[in-house]
Amino acid sequence: QKEVEQDPGPLSVPEGAIVSLNCTYSNSAFQYFMWYRQYSRKGPELLMYTYSSGNKEDGRFTAQVDKSSKYISLFIRDSQPSDSATYLCAMSGPSNTGGFKTIFGAGTRLFVKA
Amino acid sequence: DSGVTQTPKHLITATGQRVTLRCSPRSGDLSVYWYQQSLDQGLQFLIQYYNGEERAKGNILERFSAQQFPDLHSELNLSSLELGDSALYFCASSVVAGTDTQYFGPGTRLTVL
Repeated sequence: QKEVEQDPGPLSVPEGAIVSLNCTYSNSAFQYFMWYRQYSRKGPELLMYTYSSGNKEDGRFTAQVDKSSKYISLFIRDSQPSDSATYLCAMSGPSNTGGFKTIFGAGTRLFVKA
Repeated sequence: DSGVTQTPKHLITATGQRVTLRCSPRSGDLSVYWYQQSLDQGLQFLIQYYNGEERAKGNILERFSAQQFPDLHSELNLSSLELGDSALYFCASSVVAGTDTQYFGPGTRLTVL
């Protein structure tokens, strides 16, 4: 079983739709949860960063973390064609060798149709 | 622009060869991470350095090695290259290590023929 599971999609929605992207994980030691956006195989860019459970909102983006269910979500409101990209979830926690490790999901490809 | 630079942008080489990828972190960042992204494997963590010392290791092959220099730039060395090593290689940096935001560079696209 992978430590982080993310549906690769693709997910196609009309412009203006609310998009829901999700990841599940198995390692209860994960403490920090991130969402990255990656355009056309360019470097991933950080969208949202949350610590522990709860919600965080930034403009049209809302990140939710439910540690009891080991489930995180990213919601995009009023989606735009420019939101078309691959969205990667990522999680950080203590590693077996000391320090912290970050594990990325496989990424979900999102297409927003005009 | 994240402030992380990587060179070269593209690299084409043959099987069995050795290449070096270079990364300069954002100003002030002490930690550097290397990732491999291929079409069928997603983004795979390879290795992390913090202020010159190895901090964490992921799925890095023995044919691969890395180091971080006193000026904090990092190099990833890939040797005895195989066709399956063709991928995008990303470097990321953060201020400290592990728990804070990682900023990614534009990547180096490696093609092994």
